[in-house]
Amino acid sequence: KQEVTQIPAALSVPEGENLVLNCSFTDSAIYNLQWFRQDPGKGLTSLLLIQSSQREQTSGRLNASLDKSSGRSTLYIAASQPGDSATYLCAVRQGSGAGSYQLTFGKGTKLSVIP
Amino acid sequence: EAQVTQNPRYLITVTGKKLTVTCSQNMNHEYMSWYRQDPGLGLRQIYYSMNVEVTDKGDVPEGYKVSRKEKRNFPLILESPSPNQTSLYFCASRQARGVNYGYTFGSGTRLTVV
Repeated sequence: KQEVTQIPAALSVPEGENLVLNCSFTDSAIYNLQWFRQDPGKGLTSLLLIQSSQREQTSGRLNASLDKSSGRSTLYIAASQPGDSATYLCAVRQGSGAGSYQLTFGKGTKLSVIP
Repeated sequence: EAQVTQNPRYLITVTGKKLTVTCSQNMNHEYMSWYRQDPGLGLRQIYYSMNVEVTDKGDVPEGYKVSRKEKRNFPLILESPSPNQTSLYFCASRQARGVNYGYTFGSGTRLTVV
């Protein structure tokens, strides 16, 4: 069964720093990988979707990479701002079987950007 | 605006009192799903639906029911809620055709069962 791990569980950085969040998954047979942002007590906002055939996706200050063969993805945030403070979740959709009908989530990285 | 709408946002109820959490999407998505989020356990799928009248169990279906009578709506029903169903619930949808569409999530429903 697919397992998704996010490291670190929490991260605190000063404003302006570039940072990397890590996501690893055990089964490389995925359709795609999606990064979400969750503010406290709020819903999930989709940040980036990477297809299984892609290596990276970019949106503004965010860049997500995917190395499917090694089961890894990273989310790079450039020039961090206090407004980036949130929990970031990584989720994979399996390529086949029951897992293709759901997302398997990591437990998230809680990011705090200190002004 | 393309969105998934859940209601209510917050709900406090008593053990055993039937309740329904509604979910509606305006994107004509075939696929809809319910997740619950608990501290330390992350998000886990409860039920999903591939299309109208087609539903199936996720990882944690016990104590829940769903129905899909219309494409846009996918309500979650708790026939006899218990305190262990206190959680944050999310509804999600996506296109079913084409494997590379991402998911859109609702804003969540925080349920407390006392």
